[in-house]
Parts: sequence; structure tokens; C-alpha cells
Amino acid sequence: EDQVTQSPEALRLQEGESSSLNCSYTVSGLRGLFWYRQDPGKGPEFLFTLYSAGEEKEKERLKATLTKKESFLHITAPKPEDSATYLCAVQARDTGGFKTIFGAGTRLFVKA
Amino acid sequence: DTGVSQDPRHKITKRGQNVTFRCDPISEHNRLYWYRQTLGQGPEFLTYFQNEAQLEKSRLLSDRFSAERPKGSFSTLEIQRTEQGDSAMYLCAVIGGRLLGSYNEQFFGPGTRLTVL
Repeated sequence: EDQVTQSPEALRLQEGESSSLNCSYTVSGLRGLFWYRQDPGKGPEFLFTLYSAGEEKEKERLKATLTKKESFLHITAPKPEDSATYLCAVQARDTGGFKTIFGAGTRLFVKA
Repeated sequence: DTGVSQDPRHKITKRGQNVTFRCDPISEHNRLYWYRQTLGQGPEFLTYFQNEAQLEKSRLLSDRFSAERPKGSFSTLEIQRTEQGDSAMYLCAVIGGRLLGSYNEQFFGPGTRLTVL
């Protein structure tokens, strides 16, 4: 069964303390892996798409990487405004098309 | 700004009442999705439209749920005889398209928060 698992469920960091969030997946026919940021009470905000193992994308303090089984979102020197839930989603082949499956997210808290 | 608006942003209703939500994407987005998100979980797929055609429905979409996209632009999601278990955030998303410069990623609206008392 297709599955997306994110860890840890919650992560508390001090400002400037770098860390990584993990997204492991088991899907047949991966088409792409997406990272989103979601603030409380709002819709997810698109961050990155990764298509193949070895690919990396960067945006400000965030860097996403992809292997054949998992993706990491590295946060370098985080600031309090980086506090949010980070969602991982995979797009996989499905009968008649494709489907998108989301993980449960990692809640990041960055303290000043 | 994804150009996707949802109305209302919040809805409180009593169990057994019917509710309807609306999603308005800017034009050009021929693929439109509805998701449901409960606290502490990621979005779960409900249904998908290609223009005005509803192409796929999740098993989560019981017969109390119906969605339409009459002219291939805005979409509505109706829940009949609401139950407390329907309380969730209902999210609308579109594939970016030429305007947003992407063809695989989904861009989300702000969501409608439903509370069933």
C-alpha cells in the first residue's frame, strides 16, 4: 500500500539551531515529491518539487533532497518565523492517472 | 498568492444541517481538487475535476457529499445531514498551469473550517 511517513511529529529548535525533517515513502511509480509549509488556519503553501533521486532544491534557509526511499528538508539557522507545519506529499501513478498522498506533517517550533 | 479563494472561511453548523462551500480559482486552472484535513493530519483527497467533469472520487466521499463544477471555473462542495465527524478544514487546490509556472504542483486556497456542533 502506498504510504508517506514524516518524522519527527514535532521538532523544537532554538533560533540558529540547524536540523532536518524526514519524509519516507513507499509508492509505486513515483512521479514527484512535494514539500509544503502550512501555517495554522491556512492552506498549504508550495515550497519545492523533486523528481529524481539525487535532486536538490534550495530556498532561503531551506534545502530539500531526495533519495529513492526518502526526502529530507534541511533547515539552516532557523528563525522564529520558520515555525510552521511542513508537509510532504508524493505523486504516484494510479489506475487511470495519478494520485497525491500527503504525510501527516512535522510541526516545527523555533524559539528566539 | 495562488489566486484560489474559498468561501466561507469558517462555518459553524448544527448536526443534521446542510452546508455548501465554494472554491473560486482564477481562470485557466482546468484541474481542481478538494481535500479534507483534520487536526494533526495531512490533507486527504476527496475528489478531482478536469474542467467540468468529475473524474475521481475518494471512498471518503460518502453519499452525503456532492461536488460540482458547472462551467469548469468555480466549484462547490455540499455536505448533507452533517455529522460531528465532518468537522475539518476543507481545502481546494488547483494545478498551477501557465499562470503559476508549474504543471504538476497543486496550489491551495485558504480553506474552509467547518465545525459541526
